[in-house]
Amino acid sequence: DTGVSQDPRHKITKRGQNVTFRCDPISEHNRLYWYRQTLGQGPEFLTYFQNEAQLEKSRLLSDRFSAERPKGSFSTLEIQRTEQGDSAMYLCASSDTKLGRQGRSNEQFFGPGTRLTVL
Amino acid sequence: KNEVEQSPQNLTAQEGEFITINCSYSVGISALHWLQQHPGGGIVSLFMLSSGKKKHGRLIATINIQEKHSSLHITASHPRDSAVYICAVRSGNNNDMRFGAGTRLTVKP
Repeated sequence: DTGVSQDPRHKITKRGQNVTFRCDPISEHNRLYWYRQTLGQGPEFLTYFQNEAQLEKSRLLSDRFSAERPKGSFSTLEIQRTEQGDSAMYLCASSDTKLGRQGRSNEQFFGPGTRLTVL
Repeated sequence: KNEVEQSPQNLTAQEGEFITINCSYSVGISALHWLQQHPGGGIVSLFMLSSGKKKHGRLIATINIQEKHSSLHITASHPRDSAVYICAVRSGNNNDMRFGAGTRLTVKP
């Protein structure tokens, strides 16, 4: 399977614990995005990377959230001191911004998501 | 007011019916995406368009840039089309996407 993968698919944790999610983008995709989706809502942008550089962060990304993409390939999203309001689906997407790919430059391909439940 | 509004929120149809889902947006965009999300969360990109019309199988997407409106049509709907359909826009030089709340489609046999 050469699509975007995320691990774990489900995570249940107690309030106050730290959690870390991993996203493996499509190979050679230079951009990687993190989104959060709460029940009944569309996804909301959290942050994105171009290669290993984190270029944009939403104000939704509080100090308890940190994301890394150290080698420009996989990325991790860590939530410290989780709160019940953090319960959501965390989605990762990747895209290839190189031009000339049949006009589909920057189309985002989504992973299956990690569903977080904070008790 | 959300930057991306979808209608209807929920839609129930009988198998074989023609389906239309609408999306209006209030920002300038460089591209509009239609996404399909199945129970369990996985999102599949159906279309990315910046003008005109695209067709893939039984799915048709149109966009009117002047009116800031897009529609997703499903012809000869089938129960396997049941999913949440999400409209998302990418605006100008921004690299994040803004999403609608989604339209939950249920197609009954």
